[in-house]
Amino acid sequence: EVQLVETGGGLIQPGGSLRLSCAASGFTVSSNYMSWVRQAPGKGLEWVSVIYSGGSTYYADSVKGRFTISRDNSKNTLYLQMNSLRAEDTAVYYCAREDPSVYGAFDIWGQGTMVTVSS
Amino acid sequence: DIQMTQSPSSLSASVGDRVTITCQASQDISNYLNWYQQKPGKAPKLLIYDASNLETGVPSRFSGSGSGTDFTFTISSLQPEDIATYYCQQYDNLYTFGQGTKLEIK
Repeated sequence: EVQLVETGGGLIQPGGSLRLSCAASGFTVSSNYMSWVRQAPGKGLEWVSVIYSGGSTYYADSVKGRFTISRDNSKNTLYLQMNSLRAEDTAVYYCAREDPSVYGAFDIWGQGTMVTVSS
Repeated sequence: DIQMTQSPSSLSASVGDRVTITCQASQDISNYLNWYQQKPGKAPKLLIYDASNLETGVPSRFSGSGSGTDFTFTISSLQPEDIATYYCQQYDNLYTFGQGTKLEIK
């Protein structure tokens, strides 16, 4: 079965760091374009970051310089390292795969992991 | 950055109604637009890709059209299970979502 499972969310103080993980099954992370998308409570979807199969990475302006996307091919897992966290980073974080046959469309999503930044 | 503006932000309709949501891009994005459905507490689900193509397994009452800057998403006959929030998303330059349209049953 093709699926994504996120872990690593929790309560963290402002200025702190957290690493989210996204374990994939049924497909190879390194062969696909993988993104993180977040959703603040009661708000809409916000794209956060992407890592392409070739290794190039891109970030939303709101997280650039603070977040780092990476992957571990041996574990078939995607990561999001989040540093200097702010209250406005509070959200459910989803990992998502771009459909390899349909460029730009997120066809597989995880269930999400909640990150709460608060003192 | 490309901005995506959806309208309306909320919509109330009756079962069987035809429902239309629009999405406008701040610049020409060709047909690089997708539509998603999100139910409360769940991850989004891809419905329409490349502006007008129905994702496998999605009911045919859902459709999309448009190109350039103006796009439309339509439910031909609203069903109770269609209650959700709908989002457009561009991928011409990285990715941007619209702010969402919350659909409710009247």
